[in-house]
Amino acid sequence: NAGVTQTPKFRILKIGQSMTLQCTQDMNHNYMYWYRQDPGMGLKLIYYSVGAGITDKGEVPNGYNVSRSTTEDFPLRLELAAPSQTSVYFCASSGPRGLGGNIQYFGAGTRLSVL
Amino acid sequence: SQKIEQNSEALNIQEGKTATLTCNYTNYSPAYLQWYRQDPGRGPVFLLLIRENEKEKRKERLKVTFDTTLKQSLFHITASQPADSATYLCALPYSSNTGKLIFGQGTTLQVKP
Repeated sequence: NAGVTQTPKFRILKIGQSMTLQCTQDMNHNYMYWYRQDPGMGLKLIYYSVGAGITDKGEVPNGYNVSRSTTEDFPLRLELAAPSQTSVYFCASSGPRGLGGNIQYFGAGTRLSVL
Repeated sequence: SQKIEQNSEALNIQEGKTATLTCNYTNYSPAYLQWYRQDPGRGPVFLLLIRENEKEKRKERLKVTFDTTLKQSLFHITASQPADSATYLCALPYSSNTGKLIFGQGTTLQVKP
């Protein structure tokens, strides 16, 4: 199994550009998450989803959008990129709550710079 | 909502010694607590989960304790090796009825040969 796959691995954007960070998982997990991690900081939850068609905001959702049309995919959309969105973005997935205590499986990350 | 504190200063220890990392939390006592390892340029990887009714959990050279009175978890690596050098994150449920996790900022461990 590939687990959680994120693309691209690296990206440089100009201020005001838009892009979509892709995330797909092959573990048939219901729950999926997007985090950002700034240097020396912990993971901040941007958006999460409890299943196809259901998404909700996390701690830092401003400037981002998500969709969940399938169980496997959970893309993160950046509209009008700003320097404050320079960060490392991680996608994660987990099985149903109550089974395994919500252990999360992470992708390798997307390193984004907005210049 | 829950807040987590991990020692932001790096922990440097000699190979063979026991490393002890601390995770403190505020507010309610969570149903469980998790520890993850993160290597530079990689995503976090799950290591151990301990539930509120468990005082201690072991996995090979790893040991986690959970003290709900002190609102603290300790993460121990015995007989540490240079390969154990990484950042270790603790994580708790956001609130009592959600599967979302809140992560600490992590403690970086450096094991010197």
